[in-house]
Amino acid sequence: SYVLTQPPSVSVAPGKTARITCGGNNIGSRSVHWYQQKPGQAPVLVIYYDKDRPSGIPERFSGSNSGNTATLTINRVEAGDEADYFCQVWDNGSDHPAVFGGGTQLTVL
Amino acid sequence: EVQLVESGGGLVKPGRSLRLSCTASGFTFGEFAMSWFRQTPEKGLEWVSFIRNRADGGTTDYAASVRGRFTISRDDSKSIAYLQINNLQTEDTAVYFCSRGSSLFLTYYFDYWGQGTLVTVSS
Repeated sequence: SYVLTQPPSVSVAPGKTARITCGGNNIGSRSVHWYQQKPGQAPVLVIYYDKDRPSGIPERFSGSNSGNTATLTINRVEAGDEADYFCQVWDNGSDHPAVFGGGTQLTVL
Repeated sequence: EVQLVESGGGLVKPGRSLRLSCTASGFTFGEFAMSWFRQTPEKGLEWVSFIRNRADGGTTDYAASVRGRFTISRDDSKSIAYLQINNLQTEDTAVYFCSRGSSLFLTYYFDYWGQGTLVTVSS
């Protein structure tokens, strides 16, 4: 089945830019979705179809996807952005279609 | 406002069964797919099961780790998705989330999530 690889952790200072990567074989040919999860809370969709933001998600959150890497970018990072971030693709025809990365813990220094 | 509320979790002995419910409101339930996930500190977030809407055949998918013991179903008249868990094992201990599956072009993402229900399997 398809595998997504994320770095376990990323650290960034407030006001700087955080980039969280999601690697997969030719992931650029797939649609990637991103979720934010804070401790004790349910995941929240922050980016879908590579770069679209649901209503209510700040413009500071953006996404890109090309080649073997998709990237979630958070500009002007705030303390409230500290969370785990997961990427996800849908692997049509697979016996495990909902594929998630292992998650990246974003720490705001 | 879209809301998903899980219920049915609790403390259960190994080998027993449990049915989780996900009650939806704020949208036309029958038009959307639904999915179940679980999460533990050790294994992280794990997709468990998925059911399409009737228009897409109402078909189901399961993670290999639960196939044969878990059954997902839906009652569109009540706006509820269910997860039947049989022969519970200690490794099924987790917080279980339900989520709404949305799609364009038949690839799905999960745009709304419930707050989760805790299932603890212990003798």
